[in-house]
Amino acid sequence: DIVMTQSPLSLPVTPGEPASISCRSSQSLLHSDGNSYLDWYLQKPGQSPQLLIYVGSHRASGVPDRFSGSGSGTDFTLKISRVEAEDVGVYYCMQALQAPPTFGGGTKVEIK
Amino acid sequence: EVHLVESGGGLVKPGGSLRLSCAASGFTFSTYSMNWVRQAPGKGLEWVSFISSDSSYMYYADSVRGRFTISRDNAKDSLYLQMNSLRAEDTAVYYCVHALVSGAGVRFYGMDAWGQGTTVTVSS
Repeated sequence: DIVMTQSPLSLPVTPGEPASISCRSSQSLLHSDGNSYLDWYLQKPGQSPQLLIYVGSHRASGVPDRFSGSGSGTDFTLKISRVEAEDVGVYYCMQALQAPPTFGGGTKVEIK
Repeated sequence: EVHLVESGGGLVKPGGSLRLSCAASGFTFSTYSMNWVRQAPGKGLEWVSFISSDSSYMYYADSVRGRFTISRDNAKDSLYLQMNSLRAEDTAVYYCVHALVSGAGVRFYGMDAWGQGTTVTVSS
């Protein structure tokens, strides 16, 4: 199975400031079609997870453009250009290249 | 709008069985693959199982293979998870999850709609 490792585990943020989460996979997520199959999800407190980014850099419907995904191969980054209070929660990366899809351990984002 | 409602969770003794259901609406159920994902108390997300739109492909996590069976009834817009030989470590909230892209085949990316979850507790 592909192991997903996120850092940091916890990220205190200041509203209006940028934030960044890293995700690394134990194998390359680059498919022969040229896409890297890496998704990002956010689970807000008390809610079900929601899709933010799919296939590395594609924002899901309704996701604010302050969220962006980048990376290829084994190293990926989720960036929030200007954090808002509503962005708190646990962020997960997930590899979708092969079965079983596997999640990172999560990064808890909280307001300073 | 995609709407997913899970049911069937509850308290069960080790070795027991449960059948989870997921009622889907707001989209053409028969054209989308579906997943089950679970979350143990205070823990992260764990993918459990996948079924393609026409039930041709089914995948399971190693932790549940041989004990859990995923199925769907496209005529009833419903997804199921039959869980047998339950263990304490199966205790979790189970989410029914819709995949972003329609069509046949196997795709795990873009889990774009999640139900509210149903809680399964395995304890004596």
